[in-house]
Amino acid sequence: GEDVEQSLFLSVREGDSSVINCTYTDSSSTYLYWYKQEPGAGLQLLTYIFSNMDMKQDQRLTVLLNKKDKHLSLRIADTQTGDSAIYFCAELNQAGTALIFGKGTTLSVSS
Amino acid sequence: DTEVTQTPKHLVMGMTNKKSLKCEQHMGHRAMYWYKQKAKKPPELMFVYSYEKLSINESVPSRFSPECPNSSLLNLHLHALQPEDSALYLCASSQAPFSTSGELFFGEGSRLTVL
Repeated sequence: GEDVEQSLFLSVREGDSSVINCTYTDSSSTYLYWYKQEPGAGLQLLTYIFSNMDMKQDQRLTVLLNKKDKHLSLRIADTQTGDSAIYFCAELNQAGTALIFGKGTTLSVSS
Repeated sequence: DTEVTQTPKHLVMGMTNKKSLKCEQHMGHRAMYWYKQKAKKPPELMFVYSYEKLSINESVPSRFSPECPNSSLLNLHLHALQPEDSALYLCASSQAPFSTSGELFFGEGSRLTVL
């Protein structure tokens, strides 16, 4: 079945770049997503990338997709303390009926 | 209005109680979802309502009973829960069932504790 893997923790200093990595198993995934969850809150869609793209940039966020290796990454430039949160990678399941979330990467930003 | 509103934010209930979680959105979305999230885990899909009809039930125990009274409201009725059901219950909506943009709008969740 589908599976999405992420590293669990990342710690960076304010102003540095953060790179959060994700691997997925379903090569037929058409869309891949990054969601952010702040403490005590629901999830917020940060960005998504269509499978025929290699890269997508949106202000401080850059998404890179390597379809051959089934690897997705999220780069946050100039990381701020407000970026501290859990970041979930997600893909649509084969039936297109559910989002499969990775376990989430906890990003900790120190000043 | 781009909000999904969930009530209550916190709920403590005993194993013999009957309670309900409520979710509301006024974005005209036609798909609504219940997810369950345990601490330090990803959200797990429970139910999907599409155009007010239950379209997906991810083998959820019958002690959880969803209801969609109209296109803006989604309830989750709880009865005879177990302590392991304690979790954050997240409601979400999307324009259409898993529309291609995949954007789910999540509420802040209802944190449930079962004693």
